[in-house]
Parts: sequence; structure tokens; C-alpha cells
Amino acid sequence: DQQVKQNSPSLSVQEGRISILNCDYTNSMFDYFLWYKKYPAEGPTFLISISSIKDKNEDGRFTVFLNKSAKHLSLHIVPSQPGDSAVYFCAASGEGTYKYIFGTGTRLKVLA
Amino acid sequence: DAGVIQSPRHEVTEMGQEVTLRCKPISGHNSLFWYRQTMMRGLELLIYFNNNVPIDDSGMPEDRFSAKMPNASFSTLKIQPSEPRDSAVYFCASRGGTGPQYFGPGTRLTVL
Repeated sequence: DQQVKQNSPSLSVQEGRISILNCDYTNSMFDYFLWYKKYPAEGPTFLISISSIKDKNEDGRFTVFLNKSAKHLSLHIVPSQPGDSAVYFCAASGEGTYKYIFGTGTRLKVLA
Repeated sequence: DAGVIQSPRHEVTEMGQEVTLRCKPISGHNSLFWYRQTMMRGLELLIYFNNNVPIDDSGMPEDRFSAKMPNASFSTLKIQPSEPRDSAVYFCASRGGTGPQYFGPGTRLTVL
């Protein structure tokens, strides 16, 4: 049973527009969430995180939103750039735990 | 600052051979993780070390897999004997305190 789901395997967005990547989770004990970006032949790169005491966290062009009641988080990239084209993974963990549960990833393609 | 370093980046071996993957975590990080990524199972945690001590090896697939961390700056993941189904990308990640995990570039293993 997948506890972290990314239901969209791929997404295409025009350069300059907003990219919205979604992630759903089932375990209500999760309280720390992260987004990673992965280019081919490289390891996942940490992008941004959010703890359950917040509903929004921003870092430059990247904003993560958390809706605890819906068990849903999203990553917004504004404006999208061709260099943002990569696979994006969301991950979740419980309080005080080390184990991240990863989603299956969404491949974002930003079209110039 | 150097990130997580993994070697080799690519390994091709024949079934039955011993394979050793190496990892140097980020200096000062006290937690180290080994992951395996496959198309079927995504990113899965194999083993977690804290302060050089294995804490959770429940993800290690079977006795053919072993991992060591003799000191704070070096870890190995060994497969003996290797089988074709072990073909995957193996990532090492490290973490300082309660911060996010930082991943290395991975080792792509192909077992013929």
C-alpha cells in the first residue's frame, strides 16, 4: 500500500507559467514533508520542506503548500524555467523518525 | 563544500561476483542511508546508520547484502553473490541532525 502518492507521472508547462506538482499521503502520523528534484544520472537534490505546523513555505520561485485535512501537498514553481525540467519526488516522514517514504515521482517538462 | 561522494558511478559485473559500493558522507553529518532505486519499487531504504551504528537494516533484501560504516567518513554496501535482479541505481545519503537528507550521485549497477 503506497503511503505517498504522486498520481501524475508527467506534466508539461510553458516557460514562464506556473508548474503545480501534487502529492497525496495516507498516514496521518506524517508531519514532515519534502520535495526533491532529480536530473538524469544524478542523485535527488533537496528543494524545500515543510513541517505540519505550517501550511506554506517559500523559497524563491518554489512554494510548498500543505493541506493536512486533505492529506495533500503541492509544489508551485513560479515562473517555470527550462532548467526546472526534471523528475520531482515528494517524501514524508513521521515526527522524530529518520525514514522518508517517497512518492513515485512526476516528470516535469518546461517548454521554451 | 563537497557533497556526498559515491564510487564507482557505474559497475557492470557478472552474476555470482562480489560487488562493493562506496560512500563518503558530508563531513559532520551523523546519519547515513543507503537506498536502491528501481522502476518497479521506486526509491526504497535499505539501511540506516546513526553515529556509525546500524540502526535499521530491515530494508536489506537478503543475506547477500551487507553494509558497514567503519568510521564517520566512509561506508560500504556489499552484494555477494550478485544476481541480475540486483541491477538498480544505489544511492547513499547523509544527514546532519534533523535536517534533510542529501543524496550522492548514485552507482548504477548492472549484473549480467
